[in-house]
Amino acid sequence: AQSVAQPEDQVNVAEGNPLTVKCTYSVSGNPYLFWYVQYPNRGLQFLLKYITGDNLVKGSYGFEAEFNKSQTSFHLKKPSALVSDSALYFCAVRRQTGANNLFFGTGTRLTVIP
Amino acid sequence: NAGVTQTPKFRILKIGQSMTLQCTQDMNHNYMYWYRQDPGMGLKLIYYSVGAGITDKGEVPNGYNVSRSTTEDFPLRLELAAPSQTSVYFCASSMDRDYTEAFFGQGTRLTVV
Repeated sequence: AQSVAQPEDQVNVAEGNPLTVKCTYSVSGNPYLFWYVQYPNRGLQFLLKYITGDNLVKGSYGFEAEFNKSQTSFHLKKPSALVSDSALYFCAVRRQTGANNLFFGTGTRLTVIP
Repeated sequence: NAGVTQTPKFRILKIGQSMTLQCTQDMNHNYMYWYRQDPGMGLKLIYYSVGAGITDKGEVPNGYNVSRSTTEDFPLRLELAAPSQTSVYFCASSMDRDYTEAFFGQGTRLTVV
């Protein structure tokens, strides 16, 4: 079975500081990993994904994520947070083969404090 | 603007009523999905389609039906609404099964009373 854990419901960070939003996963076989962002009253927007290759994935809006197979983690990072980064962030995983659905975490609300 | 369009944005249904949530995309994506998002939870897949005429169940299909007569449209049907179906529904589309260039709609907030 596949699952995703986002251990922090809420992350607060000062503007200009680096931010990290944590994600760990469980999946049989090799994973596809995704990060999505959701702004109020909007659908999810794709940030980045890991399929294969370089463990460091760069995505939209200056975000990046590092795939760590030994720790089964895919933490989202940004070197310098902006107030406009405040939103709800979802990590998702799916197997490379088999069922087509993404398994989502419960989300982490990021608040960037001016 | 290209993307996924859902209608309506909000709806209140009485128990036992039926309705159809509309979803259309203009990116010529073969793959389309319906997810539901319950409060404090991640999204769960209801149904998906890999192309016109082909649909399949996701993780939580009970109480729903779908059809895919065209590439653009993927409506979700609730036949007998129940309070457990109160949720926010998201339609999505992608180029392939890897969710390449996946787009999500703005969501439909459904309340069943």
